[in-house]
Amino acid sequence: DIQMAQSPSTLSASVGDRVTITCRASQYIDRWLAWYQQKPGKAPTLLIYDAHTVESGVPSRFSGSGSGTGFTLTISSLQPDDFATYYCQHYNNFPWAFGQGTKVEV
Amino acid sequence: QVQLQESGPGLVKPSQTLSLTCTVSGGSISSGGYYWSWVRQPPGKGLEWLGYIHHIGSTYYSPSLKSRVALSVDTSSNHFSLTLYSVTAADTAVYYCTRGRTTPPYYYYYMDVWGKGTSVTVSS
Repeated sequence: DIQMAQSPSTLSASVGDRVTITCRASQYIDRWLAWYQQKPGKAPTLLIYDAHTVESGVPSRFSGSGSGTGFTLTISSLQPDDFATYYCQHYNNFPWAFGQGTKVEV
Repeated sequence: QVQLQESGPGLVKPSQTLSLTCTVSGGSISSGGYYWSWVRQPPGKGLEWLGYIHHIGSTYYSPSLKSRVALSVDTSSNHFSLTLYSVTAADTAVYYCTRGRTTPPYYYYYMDVWGKGTSVTVSS
């Protein structure tokens, strides 16, 4: 099974900062990676799919890059609404798997 | 716009069977090549994918639960269900149902619609 590892686990940032979260797959997954945002007490929401495609309705400050085994999620200018936990997830084959999450806090 | 709504008991006793249903509204569960999945999140922890079902009945279960889990679909009622046998305290979690979508012409599915989640506690 493919394992996903995110770093860092926690990230302290301020409004306006450029934020980068890294996700690494234990095996090659081409571009079959998604990023989700989760706020406390809420369901996750899809931000990015196919590694770099921004989901409709998601602000353009969110971007994704990478392929193969290494991926990044970038928030170009952190906004107050962006303080949340972010998860990567591969869907290259079954079983799908999530990274352990990155909490972005003040 | 498709919406998903989980329903089921909030409390289950150890060793019993947990049954959850996800009702699909705003679209037909049979339309399009979507994958319907369950994801859970124990309190204070990360996300765990449990398995998927297609409306024609094909399934895949997470190896960590394979012997205890079953998914089913009812196209006439537009819902799909999760059954988890022999539950323990480790199954205490918020359970989410999701829709898996793909970007044609590929067959790689990401989860674009999520239910709000339903909290399940396993305790005597």
